[in-house]
Amino acid sequence: QQQVKQSPQSLIVQKGGISIINCAYENTAFDYFPWYQQFPGKGPALLIAIRPDVSEKKEGRFTISFNKSAKQFSLHIMDSQPGDSATYFCAPKGSSNTGKLIFGQGTTLQVKP
Amino acid sequence: DAGVIQSPRHEVTEMGQEVTLRCKPISGHNSLFWYRQTMMRGLELLIYFNNNVPIDDSGMPEDRFSAKMPNASFSTLKIQPSEPRDSAVYFCASSLGWPQHFGDGTRLSIL
Repeated sequence: QQQVKQSPQSLIVQKGGISIINCAYENTAFDYFPWYQQFPGKGPALLIAIRPDVSEKKEGRFTISFNKSAKQFSLHIMDSQPGDSATYFCAPKGSSNTGKLIFGQGTTLQVKP
Repeated sequence: DAGVIQSPRHEVTEMGQEVTLRCKPISGHNSLFWYRQTMMRGLELLIYFNNNVPIDDSGMPEDRFSAKMPNASFSTLKIQPSEPRDSAVYFCASSLGWPQHFGDGTRLSIL
């Protein structure tokens, strides 16, 4: 059975600090490694994603680091802001045309002012 | 462009009643997904359709749950009879390959 393990479960960071969330997976048949962001009362929304042939991708304050040999990828939020307070999910995508995602358990991030 | 539209946003009903959740995917998308989110189990994929055809319903918890997609612009998830343990937030998502776009969900409470 495909498994995705996300850590930590919750995270408290001071404004301006760095938030790091990790995701480990077992299945090697994933072909896309996204992070989703979810605010209360809203559905998850794609934040940033990386393909397995790239080791790092940066979009503004958000960076994904990907370690294929270790089967891990992580989300780094630089200069964390209170508006980043949300739940974050890793959700690697199976290598099929239907785009099935396998969601991690989620990390609740709180950024204190 | 309109995103994925779900209705109702909130539903409170008594145990044993039939519940129908509705989803309108983004126009042009050919895949549709139903998820359930709870504190205990997180986000679970219940079923997904490709070109209106159910492809994988292995996540549907039991026979009380059924889903249909009569056309490319509409899908329903039905629970009959409903039970208190079905209380959760149900999300619909659609995609054209990648990425998946989620609706804002239906918060379902079964009393």
